[in-house]
Amino acid sequence: SYVLTQPPSVSVAPGQTARITCGGNNIGSKSVHWYQQKPGQAPVLVVYDDSDRPSGIPERFSGSNSGNTATLTISRVEAGDEADYYCQVWDSSSDSWVFGGGTKLTVL
Amino acid sequence: QVQLVESGGGVVQPGGSLRLSCAASGFTFSSYGMHWVRQAPGKGLEWVAFIRYDGSNKYYADSVKGRFTISRDNSKNTLYLQMNSLRAEDTAVYYCAKDFRVVAIDYWGQGTLVTVSS
Repeated sequence: SYVLTQPPSVSVAPGQTARITCGGNNIGSKSVHWYQQKPGQAPVLVVYDDSDRPSGIPERFSGSNSGNTATLTISRVEAGDEADYYCQVWDSSSDSWVFGGGTKLTVL
Repeated sequence: QVQLVESGGGVVQPGGSLRLSCAASGFTFSSYGMHWVRQAPGKGLEWVAFIRYDGSNKYYADSVKGRFTISRDNSKNTLYLQMNSLRAEDTAVYYCAKDFRVVAIDYWGQGTLVTVSS
């Protein structure tokens, strides 16, 4: 089955840019979606189809996808962005929805 | 606004059964596929099952195939997950979630906790 690999943690100072990667075999050929999950809360979709944002998600959240790596970029990081972030794809070969292991974003 | 409210969680012994329900409102339930996703304590998200808008197709994670059954009642705007032969590793918060274009999830419930323990 398809595997998505994320770094366990990323740290960034307020106001700086955070980049969270998601690795997968030829992931650039798939649509990647990103979710934010704060402690004790349900996940929230923050980026879909590699780089689109649902309504209500700040422009500071953006995404890209090429080759074997997709990236979620959070610009001008705020304390409120501290959360776990998960990438996800739909694997058509197995009709399954696959999540990465998650990355904990810490705002220093 | 979209609301998804899960119920039916609790403590069950290994080998036992449980049925989860998810009451949906704020959108045309019968027009959308639905998912169950779970999260073990302190762990990441794991997709469990998907059902098409009309119930015609169902897909399952290998870890639950043959033990769990997803179903829906469009007349009641309700999604179900029948869980049989439960194991300790099935212990998790189970989220009901609305499908987005068959490839992603755009709304999640708050989850219901299932604990499998003797």
